Amino acid sequence: NAGVTQTPKFQVLKTGQSMTLQCAQDMNHNSMYWYRQDPGMGLRLIYYSASEGTTDKGEVPNGYNVSRLNKREFSLRLESAAPSQTSVYFCASRIAGGRKEQFFGPGTRLTVL
Amino acid sequence: GNSVTQMEGPVTLSEEAFLTINCTYTATGYPSLFWYVQYPGEGLQLLLKATKADDKGSNKGFEATYRKETTSFHLEKGSVQVSDSAVYFCALTSGGSNYKLTFGKGTLLTVNP
Repeated sequence: NAGVTQTPKFQVLKTGQSMTLQCAQDMNHNSMYWYRQDPGMGLRLIYYSASEGTTDKGEVPNGYNVSRLNKREFSLRLESAAPSQTSVYFCASRIAGGRKEQFFGPGTRLTVL
Repeated sequence: GNSVTQMEGPVTLSEEAFLTINCTYTATGYPSLFWYVQYPGEGLQLLLKATKADDKGSNKGFEATYRKETTSFHLEKGSVQVSDSAVYFCALTSGGSNYKLTFGKGTLLTVNP
């Protein structure tokens, strides 16, 4: 049981390049989330997926797209990376029902030059 | 909207000292409250939680009590260890369709031997 896994762990991009961050969970959780973490800002929600086949915007969705490929996988895509997207990205998942805590992956550290 | 305010860091303590990290919140309805911990280079781990007023969450010697009258959820530990050095995040969710977590900005704790 690996929990929530993310790839890659580190990535450096040039402005304008595109990439996809991958996230998978093996806990049979229904909901999945993408957050970004910036110094002094805590974590902010980018997108979430309440269940397979649905996605919705969070606080800071501009410049990102997501795909809930199946129940296990939830990817985050940067179509044209900008330096403002330099951040650490965390994926999280949550089981359905009354359990409200989320379980986090190890993160992807992204630098956009 | 929801918000979480936690004490600014960094906090530096000697081993076996008493720890308090203050957290206050603003939320609609009846939120659930969490403390997450992030060790260097890792993702966030759930440390403890409380889902209703007067509940006390506890784990690994850490405690926090859900105080609705003061809208607070302060984290305490009686005797910190070097291994407790990490960033601590207070967070809440009001539920709804996505159970989005709202985070404080985080408090860096360093414990010296």
